[in-house]
Amino acid sequence: DVKVTQSSRYLVKRTGEKVFLECVQDMDHENMFWYRQDPGLGLRLIYFSYDVKMKEKGDIPEGYSVSREKKERFSLILESASTNQTSMYLCASSLLSGKKETQYFGPGTRLLVL
Amino acid sequence: KQEVTQIPAALSVPEGENLVLNCSFTDSAIYNLQWFRQDPGKGLTSLLLIQSSQREQTSGRLNASLDKSSGRSTLYIAASQPGDSATYLCAADSWGKFQFGAGTQVVVTP
Repeated sequence: DVKVTQSSRYLVKRTGEKVFLECVQDMDHENMFWYRQDPGLGLRLIYFSYDVKMKEKGDIPEGYSVSREKKERFSLILESASTNQTSMYLCASSLLSGKKETQYFGPGTRLLVL
Repeated sequence: KQEVTQIPAALSVPEGENLVLNCSFTDSAIYNLQWFRQDPGKGLTSLLLIQSSQREQTSGRLNASLDKSSGRSTLYIAASQPGDSATYLCAADSWGKFQFGAGTQVVVTP
């Protein structure tokens, strides 16, 4: 069964802290994605990666960085957390684009920055 | 830049009625159009994926249509049930990146 897991379901951090969100997929997918989801705004793409050590900026990369050292793992890093980064963070993975391939989503991490 | 809109933002229907959810997109150069379901506090689950060369896809009580020329997709859910209550999101896959709508929150009352 297809599986995308995220390291935490809920996180509470303080302003200025460095925050790591981890995502692991067991499907040998090339593509991995990080989104944030806010009420009324839908999902917005932060970063994505189509291969190990490769990354591309999405629509809202400011204040975030990513790391992909292994194919199955994609990490999102908040270098200095701010209150406007309080959100639901969703990770997803997929096979090659341009074909009939869906994205598989993890359960999400709800982050609260105080 | 691709923009995806879903109207209405929320919908409440009595059990047994058919549901019609709308999705519009601005750039017709898409690989595919996908519909997802999201339960409160959870991730997204794929419902249907329509390739750009197709006009519709069906799965059980769900049917999704795609009209690229007008930039529209519609998700039909027949004979709605309380278990269909969730938020439904559409996403347009353009050049390997998914652009999501904000979703339609559906409540089916018994």
